[in-house]
Amino acid sequence: GAVVSQHPSWVICKSGTSVKIECRSLDFQATTMFWYRQFPKQSLMLMATSNEGSKATYEQGVEKDKFLINHASLTLSTLTVTSAHPEDSSFYICSAGSGYTFGSGTRLTVV
Amino acid sequence: QKEVEQNSGPLSVPEGAIASLNCTYSDRGSQSFFWYRQYSGKSPELIMSIYSNGDKEDGRFTAQLNKASQYVSLLIRDSQPSDSATYLCAVNIHLDTGRRALTFGSGTRLQVQP
Repeated sequence: GAVVSQHPSWVICKSGTSVKIECRSLDFQATTMFWYRQFPKQSLMLMATSNEGSKATYEQGVEKDKFLINHASLTLSTLTVTSAHPEDSSFYICSAGSGYTFGSGTRLTVV
Repeated sequence: QKEVEQNSGPLSVPEGAIASLNCTYSDRGSQSFFWYRQYSGKSPELIMSIYSNGDKEDGRFTAQLNKASQYVSLLIRDSQPSDSATYLCAVNIHLDTGRRALTFGSGTRLQVQP
């Protein structure tokens, strides 16, 4: 079945720095990948749709200049949280392909 | 109105009982419906998908869909303590941006008492 790998599983960074999260489809090619964010005790909120070879599509309220998405190949999408602040601390999860299988998630803590 | 609504719970059932989880959605045009299980601190895991009205069974799980009522449910038979988790309902919803994407309810926390 479809396997989606996400790395790192957790990261702690200082306020003002940038953090890159990778999402890989291991056994299939994905022209589309999805990035979600989940705050504690809340549900998953779609942040953006990553499109291979073209610009990502961001949901309303998500700053595209802060959350940079690159989908340079059919198996890899990256999300970079730029100038991270404590309010960006969250659980970031990607899904790939049909969007029904999720990566293991990345717990970001900004201190 | 939220696009996908679930009772947050917690829903507490004794071991061996049937747990019934419910979800309603707003987009009448939705065609794809999913139930995920999420353990604390982990990523969601797909349990069931359903596309047609009626019931779909997979082991101890049964998903039920009623498009006329915009309602989808998940039954868990012979509930086990290991089923204790948050259950997320997800619907392929038509977004304001003109696209369709998986939209999640807030989740129902299930507690199975030994």
